[in-house]
Amino acid sequence: QKEVEQDPGPLSVPEGAIVSLNCTYSNSAFQYFMWYRQYSRKGPELLMYTYSSGNKEDGRFTAQVDKSSKYISLFIRDSQPSDSATYLCAMRTSGTYKYIFGTGTRLKVLA
Amino acid sequence: DTAVSQTPKYLVTQMGNDKSIKCEQNLGHDTMYWYKQDSKKFLKIMFSYNNKELIINETVPNRFSPKSPDKAHLNLHINSLELGDSAVYFCASSQEGLPVGGANVLTFGAGSRLTVL
Repeated sequence: QKEVEQDPGPLSVPEGAIVSLNCTYSNSAFQYFMWYRQYSRKGPELLMYTYSSGNKEDGRFTAQVDKSSKYISLFIRDSQPSDSATYLCAMRTSGTYKYIFGTGTRLKVLA
Repeated sequence: DTAVSQTPKYLVTQMGNDKSIKCEQNLGHDTMYWYKQDSKKFLKIMFSYNNKELIINETVPNRFSPKSPDKAHLNLHINSLELGDSAVYFCASSQEGLPVGGANVLTFGAGSRLTVL
């Protein structure tokens, strides 16, 4: 079993839909949780960062962490064609430099 | 521009050759990384340096040798290239040692796409 699991998709939604992207993990020591967006042939760019549990909102994006269920989510409201990309979750424990990535979910938002 | 920059962006070479990829960051970060991304987009860590000291060395063939001349630079040299080395190699950096809860997040370069023929 991988430390971080993520559905690879692809996930196709119509423009304006609410998108839910998820990752599950097995290491209860993870404390830092990140979502990266990667456009085709580009490097991953940080979208959201959360420490420990709770919610964080930034514009159309909301990140949720449920440590009791070992489950993190990224919600995208009013999705746009420009949101079409691969979304990667990443996490790490305190005191290590090792970021563990999910396999990424490919999202297509159809105009 | 503040960034992580890596060269070359594309590299096409024959099996058996030796090649290098260079990375530089001007973010003032103290930790740098090499990640390999395969065709299925899975990002796997290879190496990490903190202030020029090797701190992560995953199960990588010893044909791969990283070098960090200073904390702003991290290079990757690959000997005797094999077909399976074809991938996109990403350099990244982060600032460690922040207070607990601080944003120890990775900033990535644009990637170096290596094709071995």
